[in-house]
Amino acid sequence: DTEVTQTPKHLVMGMTNKKSLKCEQHMGHRAMYWYKQKAKKPPELMFVYSYEKLSINESVPSRFSPECPNSSLLNLHLHALQPEDSALYLCASSQEGQGGNYGYTFGSGTRLTVV
Amino acid sequence: GQQVMQIPQYQHVQEGEDFTTYCNSSTTLSNIQWYKQRPGGHPVFLIQLVKSGEVKKQKRLTFQFGEAKKNSSLHITATQTTDVGTYFCAGPRSNDYKLSFGAGTTVTVRA
Repeated sequence: DTEVTQTPKHLVMGMTNKKSLKCEQHMGHRAMYWYKQKAKKPPELMFVYSYEKLSINESVPSRFSPECPNSSLLNLHLHALQPEDSALYLCASSQEGQGGNYGYTFGSGTRLTVV
Repeated sequence: GQQVMQIPQYQHVQEGEDFTTYCNSSTTLSNIQWYKQRPGGHPVFLIQLVKSGEVKKQKRLTFQFGEAKKNSSLHITATQTTDVGTYFCAGPRSNDYKLSFGAGTTVTVRA
């Protein structure tokens, strides 16, 4: 299995809702990532998990809460989002090692709209 | 932190013609990666370059890593409609080695 699977593919939520994005990989990758991508922009790193521990939080607002239940799963819990949080949320995974010398495998993303 | 700069932002190409997109870093990179994102899709890993002066080919795509490991290029020959999309270069950040993406070159093809 060489894929990263993300669900749901599309999500519309109100500003008072709580929702979760899910990501799964079975490639044995020990680094997993959440990226946010706005239209016509490159992906922006949000969180990095290394060996199931949060290693990087790019000063993301607390209304985004990541979770890594095990080495194959990554969640992103959403609460009280703002309309400007509407974007494509991408999960990625890679082997973990020195120097960043591994390509990332991206999921197909969750297209989130906050109304 | 280290950033990779990418030009041009947009490339409009006649089908059958060649084009090149360029990526530059202010610091030496341990490696550079290239990704392609089709319209409505997600980034897909194309290739990684590690060695100074390295050149790799994938069919009509030629990737180069500069001698100083601060720049890279992607050259596409005989552009086809299947080449439409945004091409991103990405290099590891100097502080934590996580990927920093360039702004991307969005390619459109005139048939």
